[in-house]
This record gives sequence, C-alpha cells and structure tokens, in this order.
Amino acid sequence: GAVVSQHPSRVICKSGTSVKIECRSLDFQATTMFWYRQFPKQSLMLMATSNEGSKATYEQGVEKDKFLINHASLTLSTLTVTSAHPEDSSFYICSARTPFTGVEIYEQYFGPGTRLTVT
Amino acid sequence: TQLLEQSPQFLSIQEGENLTVYCNSSSVFSSLQWYRQEPGEGPVLLVTVVTGGEVKKLKRLTFQFGDARKDSSLHITAAQPGDTGLYLCAGGSDMRFGAGTRLTVKP
Repeated sequence: GAVVSQHPSRVICKSGTSVKIECRSLDFQATTMFWYRQFPKQSLMLMATSNEGSKATYEQGVEKDKFLINHASLTLSTLTVTSAHPEDSSFYICSARTPFTGVEIYEQYFGPGTRLTVT
Repeated sequence: TQLLEQSPQFLSIQEGENLTVYCNSSSVFSSLQWYRQEPGEGPVLLVTVVTGGEVKKLKRLTFQFGDARKDSSLHITAAQPGDTGLYLCAGGSDMRFGAGTRLTVKP
C-alpha cells in the first residue's frame, strides 16, 4: 500500500509553546489529507480535513486558531498546535487520500502517528 | 454526517475461535474501509469494499459489504494472537470512523 510518514513520532513540549507535526505522502500525490486525534483506548476523532491550496475544514468543536493546518503541496500537510496545554496531550494521526481513480473509490493511508506530551 | 456504529466494542476470545464484527449505519456509503490498528501506531488499511453484496477475502479474514451498502462485516476464522488489535471501519467522503472493536485473542 501507499506510504505516509509523520514527523516527529514523539514530542514533549512545555505548556505555552507551539509544536509542528508534518505529514507526508511519499509515493502518491494527495489533494486531501485528514488530521485525527486519538485518546487512549478510543477510536480516531476527525479534527480537520486539509485540501491542498485551500483552507482546512475543521470539525465542530476544534479550534482553528489553536490547531493550524497548512497543506502547501500535494505531498505535505502540517499541523501546528499553538500555545499547547497539557490537555492537548494526545496521539495525533494524519492520513492522505489517494486520488479518485474512477474504479475503486478513495482509499486512505495513515501515518504512524505522533505522540504529543505537554508538560 | 454519516455515522458508523461498530459492534461489539470489546471481544476477547481463545486462539482458534471464529468471530464476526459489524459496522452499521443508516446511511448509504459509496465505499467502506476496514483498518487494523496496534497500540502506538497508525491504522493499517485491510480492505476497501465498494459494491453492494461484495465479499473480499484476505487470508483468514472475510469482509462483506451489505447489499444496500449501509453495513459491513468482518469475519475472522481460526483467530490467532497476532490478530489482536483495534479494528476500525470508516467511510464517507470525510472518512469518519466507527468506535472500533478491540479484539484480544488469547493463546
């Protein structure tokens, strides 16, 4: 399957600082990427949909000024957690959607996730 | 918003047993995806089902898409400890996930 990378895999930051997480599709161009958040033993919660060259669409309850998303190219989307607080500590996962082929509907491949700990 | 409900949420079985997990919705989906996730990792795509009534097999895993494309099931035959993980279904253009089924297979 397609490969999606995330960097960093783990990050610890102090409260009040900002953290940037990168998501890259390595072997295909992704016009759409998604950012999820996952709490322990729970499913993935969609935070926002990122479309290349346009503003991200945020889910209800997700603060767009706190979670800045930039999808500057067809292979890279970034999530910046601004003014991080301990409650932002979580597992953040990105995914990239393959282009529509007209045969199989979209498929989505996930990055390995980023464990953010805010102290 | 198209919602997906998965059942059961938790399942603990002995090695060698068979099991089925379900993914249901009141909405019609153009496709559904099944993923497996292990702790600390991202979900890994297992299969995409597209056609109503479709059945796909992946070794001991059998995936079925309902005729009306509102539901799907995953059947595992002779489960092994290596099958342990969180099984997730997802669908819709915005790729929302069900709550997942956490499977534990005991040796």
